[in-house]
Amino acid sequence: AQSVTQPDIHITVSEGASLELRCNYSYGATPYLFWYVQSPGQGLQLLLKYFSGDTLVQGIKGFEAEFKRSQSSFNLRKPSVHWSDAAEYFCAVGAYSGNTPLVFGKGTRLSVIA
Amino acid sequence: DSGVTQTPKHLITATGQRVTLRCSPRSGDLSVYWYQQSLDQGLQFLIQYYNGEERAKGNILERFSAQQFPDLHSELNLSSLELGDSALYFCASSVTENPYNEQFFGPGTRLTVL
Repeated sequence: AQSVTQPDIHITVSEGASLELRCNYSYGATPYLFWYVQSPGQGLQLLLKYFSGDTLVQGIKGFEAEFKRSQSSFNLRKPSVHWSDAAEYFCAVGAYSGNTPLVFGKGTRLSVIA
Repeated sequence: DSGVTQTPKHLITATGQRVTLRCSPRSGDLSVYWYQQSLDQGLQFLIQYYNGEERAKGNILERFSAQQFPDLHSELNLSSLELGDSALYFCASSVTENPYNEQFFGPGTRLTVL
């Protein structure tokens, strides 16, 4: 079964600084990978997903993520963080072999300071 | 606004009681997913319905049950409630039965069991 680890529970960055949120997955084959964002008081929203092809994936709100098979990672990046990016970020993995439910990581809370 | 509605927003009840959470998916979406989000367990998949039929089951307790009605709205029934059932319950919807298509999340129902 697949699993996801988000090593950082909470990250604080300054507005305008770059951001990288870490995600490591465990799965025997090529996974389907996702990043969702949960703004305060709201449900989750899909930022981007990787199924195959180019390992650098562009998403909404200026985010991108890179799939690195050798490191079993799918880290989320943004070159310049805005105060409105403060939220909880979830990495999720799906199994290539079939339509099994998504498995979510425990999330990383991002705080943005002036 | 994702287009997914959940009622009620908040629910406070006592141990041993039974509650029903309601979800209306986005117009045109045939799949409904239920998730439980708690501080210790993170976001856990409970169950998926597609066009009225159960499609996938996750870590759903036997005390919990769900159904999807002909108009595609769904209800999650939680019975014999325990303190540990206190959590945020999310409903999500998607167009097809494939959970790897974008899921649109509602704002959640916060359940507090006293």
